Amino acid sequence: DAKTTQPPSMDCAEGRAANLPCNHSTISGNEYVYWYRQIHSQGPQYIIHGLKNNETNEMASLIITEDRKSSTLILPHATLRDTAVYYCIVKANSKLTFGKGITLSVRP
Amino acid sequence: GAVVSQHPSWVICKSGTSVKIECRSLDFQATTMFWYRQFPKQSLMLMATSNEGSKATYEQGVEKDKFLINHASLTLSTLTVTSAHPEDSSFYICSARDAPGTGRLGDTQYFGPGTRLTVL
Repeated sequence: DAKTTQPPSMDCAEGRAANLPCNHSTISGNEYVYWYRQIHSQGPQYIIHGLKNNETNEMASLIITEDRKSSTLILPHATLRDTAVYYCIVKANSKLTFGKGITLSVRP
Repeated sequence: GAVVSQHPSWVICKSGTSVKIECRSLDFQATTMFWYRQFPKQSLMLMATSNEGSKATYEQGVEKDKFLINHASLTLSTLTVTSAHPEDSSFYICSARDAPGTGRLGDTQYFGPGTRLTVL
């Protein structure tokens, strides 16, 4: 599976949009981009995934560049409960390979 | 929804004993389940993949005789840590996936809440 690169951490103010970047320059045509998050001492929570088109659900939006080499997860109105480690994963077969993720801290 | 449960949520045991952790998919049939472990301040590491009715496939470096996995039904997988030692203390997390391509949940994995194992 293609490797992803994420900044180690970022913060944002409560109520503002949080834009979490991810680079996956070696992604293949049949590989999906998945986002999960892990709140401290809990199992990962599925957020969203996409292949080519931008996707939106009740939790977040996923913007994938046209060349598919990078993507951005957008939490439109961050709350304190969104503080977590966010993992961007590129997946083609059944396995998910977790990297270090990005730690998002939402400040009051 | 897609809910996965684990039991117990935490367990403390003595060195040399065996511990069984259950993983259940509550509202879907999981053709495949995965077991991960996570040490403090580290990311999740896949231990093994199990398909219902088949033997589990273990990742390199994971001892299959120490970490026994059973996936006897479409809603239940168990991980047994045999002869546990303090270095096995970790956060064990399972995930489950519907039938890819045909299941209503597609290829997405849904995770349980995790089980914290402490071996004294």
